[in-house]
Amino acid sequence: GAGVSQSPRYKVAKRGQDVALRCDPISGHVSLFWYQQALGQGPEFLTYFQNEAQLDKSGLPSDRFFAERPEGSVSTLKIQRTQQEDSAVYLCASSLVLGIYGYTFGSGTRLTVV
Amino acid sequence: DAKTTQPTSMDCAEGRAANLPCNHSTISGNEYVYWYRQIHSQGPQYIIHGLKNNETNEMASLIITEDRKSSTLILPHATLRDTAVYYCIVERGDTNAGKSTFGDGTTLTVKP
Repeated sequence: GAGVSQSPRYKVAKRGQDVALRCDPISGHVSLFWYQQALGQGPEFLTYFQNEAQLDKSGLPSDRFFAERPEGSVSTLKIQRTQQEDSAVYLCASSLVLGIYGYTFGSGTRLTVV
Repeated sequence: DAKTTQPTSMDCAEGRAANLPCNHSTISGNEYVYWYRQIHSQGPQYIIHGLKNNETNEMASLIITEDRKSSTLILPHATLRDTAVYYCIVERGDTNAGKSTFGDGTTLTVKP
């Protein structure tokens, strides 16, 4: 596609519910990143994939957060037993060549845990 | 990865040049300077990046000091649509790229 597509655009979850957030990167982009952005703050790194390999997950805040990219294209960020502090915008970004070109971000998924 | 320091906010008159500074005094030799901006309710948008030479594209110019400890993003003729949060980050061009924290950026307000 022309850009990075994320779905759903908005998600309201009850505390304790599991959620799955989807990212469709630009076709052919090898690198894929997930970021978390709290209200009024800049994006913070969660995890990074190169093709299907998850090379860095050091930013995932707890073991309730899990990300996968099984075929090296679409990625899913899953949050189990959601808590109120998980409320944020979750951004996905992809890049053709790591570190050389800028990243293309999606519009994000706004997660609200009630 | 090196950290960056940016002013919290800046104002600019429409049609004038907007000069956004960024300090990155601990930058390493293999780290690039990247600029992104984020308009409300959208994901960050890549603007420009550079290693040590000044760069220009259709959106902006990037001026990097000779010691690489600071840089300035220049929007030559700011419009109201340039109102956004501007992030300066430094990143290595290897497997650690993408780990950088964006910080809180500079909120640029372009006024009529």
